[in-house]
Amino acid sequence: SQQGEEDPQALSIQEGENATMNCSYKTSINNLQWYRQNSGRGLVHLILIRSNEREKHSGRLRVTLDTSKKSSSLLITASRAADTASYFCATEGTGANNLFFGTGTRLTVIP
Amino acid sequence: DVKVTRSSRYLVKRTGEKVFLECVQDMDHENMFWYRQDPGLGLRLIYFSYDVKMKEKGDIPEGYSVSREKKERFSLILESASTNQTSMYLCASSPWGNNEQFFGPGTRLTVL
Repeated sequence: SQQGEEDPQALSIQEGENATMNCSYKTSINNLQWYRQNSGRGLVHLILIRSNEREKHSGRLRVTLDTSKKSSSLLITASRAADTASYFCATEGTGANNLFFGTGTRLTVIP
Repeated sequence: DVKVTRSSRYLVKRTGEKVFLECVQDMDHENMFWYRQDPGLGLRLIYFSYDVKMKEKGDIPEGYSVSREKKERFSLILESASTNQTSMYLCASSPWGNNEQFFGPGTRLTVL
């Protein structure tokens, strides 16, 4: 399976702290994306990092990619209660036109 | 504002009923996808389509069929619903050559 796996499954932090989520995958990829899902809603695209990139920033988000270890991390700095959601990584494999989603990390930010 | 929408947020059907879920997007995207989401299993791809009247099987197509008669609509059909098809169903779309997917809010289907 090309499905990614997020770690940890659940994370609870205080508002203002940083949150780090990790994603591991098994096959070669074109790119890796991170999505956010509020409870019972659809997913929202956050950021995409290509296989030839090592780090990318978007606002309070920082994503790293290590293709040698087949892993990625998502860092949310200065977390807010509104960041409470589930976060999923999704990989686009080489030769594939669709995405493979992980099982997600449930982040809770306590005000 | 452009969105991927669905037929209804919550749906309750009985075993054996035919279920029709419709996804409509107004972003002129070529690619459309149907997923189901279950606790502990994440999102799993059921079917996808890159063009009108075109469809490809995803990871779990069994028990489902799809239809794409118009570019903006991608329908998921459960010919005879079963209890193991109780799930959250999510539709997504993306433009050609770009796999950043835009999701609708999802439909939670319960099959009794």
